[in-house]
Amino acid sequence: DQQVKQNSPSLSVQEGRISILNCDYTNSMFDYFLWYKKYPAEGPTFLISISSIKDKNEDGRFTVFLNKSAKHLSLHIVPSQPGDSAVYFCAASEDDYKLSFGAGTTVTVRA
Amino acid sequence: DAGITQSPRHKVTETGTPVTLRCHQTENHRYMYWYRQDPGHGLRLIHYSYGVKDTDKGEVSDGYSVSRSKTEDFLLTLESATSSQTSVYFCAISEALGGPYEQYFGPGTRLTVT
Repeated sequence: DQQVKQNSPSLSVQEGRISILNCDYTNSMFDYFLWYKKYPAEGPTFLISISSIKDKNEDGRFTVFLNKSAKHLSLHIVPSQPGDSAVYFCAASEDDYKLSFGAGTTVTVRA
Repeated sequence: DAGITQSPRHKVTETGTPVTLRCHQTENHRYMYWYRQDPGHGLRLIHYSYGVKDTDKGEVSDGYSVSRSKTEDFLLTLESATSSQTSVYFCAISEALGGPYEQYFGPGTRLTVT
């Protein structure tokens, strides 16, 4: 059973606006969360992460929010740019070395 | 970018034949992983290695075996390929052990089993 869920398979957003990607998890032992970005025909690339001791982490245009009580995290991209069009994977870890991934959300940024 | 290469990048094979995919890293990272990516499933862990000759199963290991005889190389073998193993396979590496937990991925191998 999938422990990390991304319930929105796709998201379309206008250039310059905010993209909000959501991720839910079921395993309360997860203590580290990551977002990856993937372009077609390439491997996923690490984007941003957050530890369970924090509720927000920001890196430039990307901000990840963690709500432990709701077992929910989100990725905000502001402002969205055409190069942000990609598949985004949410991932979580309860130990030092294994990750559980969601199914991914395809983001399309419209000009 | 992390130094990770995968070979071959594309392969078409017939049902019942053995197939070996290779992952090579130049980062001297301890952990190496094999994932498969399928629509609707994201990335699923097949096998991983935590050192030379030290490997363990992931969530979708049936029909796959792995070997790691050197730090830099991690091989994935499909013992007798089936159409359900048509997928994109990614290798990843991580230093892990107390963090950071980030894994760095290779470019992928697209495998088609006919």
